[in-house]
Amino acid sequence: ETGVTQSPTHLIKTRGQQVTLRCSSQSGHNTVSWYQQALGQGPQFIFQYYREEENGRGNFPPRFSGLQFPNYSSELNVNALELDDSALYLCASKSGTGKETQYFGPGTRLLVL
Amino acid sequence: DQQVKQNSPSLSVQEGRISILNCDYTNSMFDYFLWYKKYPAEGPTFLISISSIKDKNEDGRFTVFLNKSAKHLSLHIVPSQPGDSAVYFCAASGTSGTYKYIFGTGTRLKVLA
Repeated sequence: ETGVTQSPTHLIKTRGQQVTLRCSSQSGHNTVSWYQQALGQGPQFIFQYYREEENGRGNFPPRFSGLQFPNYSSELNVNALELDDSALYLCASKSGTGKETQYFGPGTRLLVL
Repeated sequence: DQQVKQNSPSLSVQEGRISILNCDYTNSMFDYFLWYKKYPAEGPTFLISISSIKDKNEDGRFTVFLNKSAKHLSLHIVPSQPGDSAVYFCAASGTSGTYKYIFGTGTRLKVLA
């Protein structure tokens, strides 16, 4: 069974640029969530996708957007990058839309200069 | 407003002794709680969970206790091992919607050999 994978592992961007982060869900999982973990903080919920539709969103501006594909892989897109977007971005997948346990990938560390 | 709090940023314990990590929450609508362990450069790894209908759940060396009236949960690790050294996050989930996780800020556990 393949776990959650994310790419790239590290990324450096400059303010104002756009970035796309990618996630492959664990086998059999159809729901994916994205979290942002700033330094010294716990992960914060960005949004969740189920069957290619966003079905929940945290307190993040619209320049954070996502996609989920038919094979349940997912992308997180961030436009107009700001310095405060520097963080570890975590993808988590689970097998439904209820209280199933979420399993996390290793994350993508984004640095915005 | 931090709905899930881990007030101890760090904890050191001797190998073989008990480690007790604490977590407090403010939202009475939370009814599912989890602990994750995170090593550097890896994503959070699920450890153990507990539903609000229980007050204790055990899995090997790990036990989670839930005190609903105090809105407090704790993770006990017995006996502690050097490989347990990591950052531990507690997370809480509500009764509806996306069941997104609200995380605490983490406690760094160091088990001394």
